[in-house]
Amino acid sequence: TQLLEQSPQFLSIQEGENLTVYCNSSSVFSSLQWYRQEPGEGPVLLVTVVTGGEVKKLKRLTFQFGDARKDSSLHITAAQPGDTGLYLCAGYPYNNDMRFGAGTRLTVKP
Amino acid sequence: NAGVTQTPKFQVLKTGQSMTLQCAQDMNHNSMYWYRQDPGMGLRLIYYSASEGTTDKGEVPNGYNVSRLNKREFSLRLESAAPSQTSVYFCASSGLNTEAFFGQGTRLTVV
Repeated sequence: TQLLEQSPQFLSIQEGENLTVYCNSSSVFSSLQWYRQEPGEGPVLLVTVVTGGEVKKLKRLTFQFGDARKDSSLHITAAQPGDTGLYLCAGYPYNNDMRFGAGTRLTVKP
Repeated sequence: NAGVTQTPKFQVLKTGQSMTLQCAQDMNHNSMYWYRQDPGMGLRLIYYSASEGTTDKGEVPNGYNVSRLNKREFSLRLESAAPSQTSVYFCASSGLNTEAFFGQGTRLTVV
């Protein structure tokens, strides 16, 4: 079982639609991170959420950290083909070892 | 800025062969990691190193060994490669509980 469970695993939508991706755990995290990975590349950090209930916005992307610091969500408004990629949540459940969820593979069709 | 550099980028091994994947970072990070990523999957932690001279097992350590040679370098060794180790391997580094920076990955095929 994964420490961080992401859903959905796959998502295919039309350009202009909204979507939400979820990252859940039974463990409490001091912070959670969201990364985006494109084919042939390593993941790149999008955002870090630290405070329970925190909401961060990055252009059309909105990230929320659950009040209990066990879950997080990523909402994309008016998705564009350039948003296509693998979205990964990650956190440090113990000292120094960073764990990832299995990811959500997003495809945005023009 | 080089960031995290991994070598090689591609490798084909025969079952039973050994090889070492090299990783170096120039960001003065204490923590370094090795992950594997299988098709359609996220990243699974193989080993990590919190500081020079220390290493710890992650989620999937069997069949691998690591060496934290110095603060910059963290190598991953496959002593006897198996087809199940066919994957893309990523090295990463970070400060304490902060953003991780990744290398470009090594695509390994074991036949």
